Amino acid sequence: ETGVTQTPRHLVMGMTNKKSLKCEQHLGHNAMYWYKQSAKKPLELMFVYNFKEQTENNSVPSRFSPECPNSSHLFLHLHTLQPEDSALYLCASSHLAGSSYEQYFGPGTRLTVT
Amino acid sequence: GESVGLHLPTLSVQEGDNSIINCAYSNSASDYFIWYKQESGKGPQFIIDIRSNMDKRQGQRVTVLLNKTVKHLSLQIAATQPGDSAVYFCAERNTGNQFYFGTGTSLTVIP
Repeated sequence: ETGVTQTPRHLVMGMTNKKSLKCEQHLGHNAMYWYKQSAKKPLELMFVYNFKEQTENNSVPSRFSPECPNSSHLFLHLHTLQPEDSALYLCASSHLAGSSYEQYFGPGTRLTVT
Repeated sequence: GESVGLHLPTLSVQEGDNSIINCAYSNSASDYFIWYKQESGKGPQFIIDIRSNMDKRQGQRVTVLLNKTVKHLSLQIAATQPGDSAVYFCAERNTGNQFYFGTGTSLTVIP
């Protein structure tokens, strides 16, 4: 257990569906992240929230919409996805200052778009 | 953009031998580096980190070396064990708190 939980662990959705991924951290961190992990590709940073403010959107399509209501919770809202969006979506959290910027990762949500 | 690359996608070692996994990074302004281990079905797990003002850091059975001159990072695992079999990623952090990961090296430990 890393202190970062993600739900659901597995999700199968059609291209016309709307779903949300949830992430929660119990570590007192003030930064949260969404990553996409596809086979044989580096982890792709999607969104960064520092102190609940979005600071990065790495050219992510608008069909992915993040939400960070507080420093402990992070959501990724999904709508009209494409089959190439199938991947493992990882949430992470970290401190923004101090001796370590170590990111703690959740177990991920395995998303399949049909 | 930034790029982080690994020299070899796979590595096989005999149990008890030492393992060395290499990583190249491109952004000389990156100030912090991390090595992660990822086992099947799990998220990446922190192994060791190093700041750019250091060139070596040791943990339990692991050592990270940073060569800023050639922008190279390596992870050394001493007395490799079967439980070390996993994919290993390096990552660099820029001053904007953005992390960029390498593709990963798959380490297989042969009993």
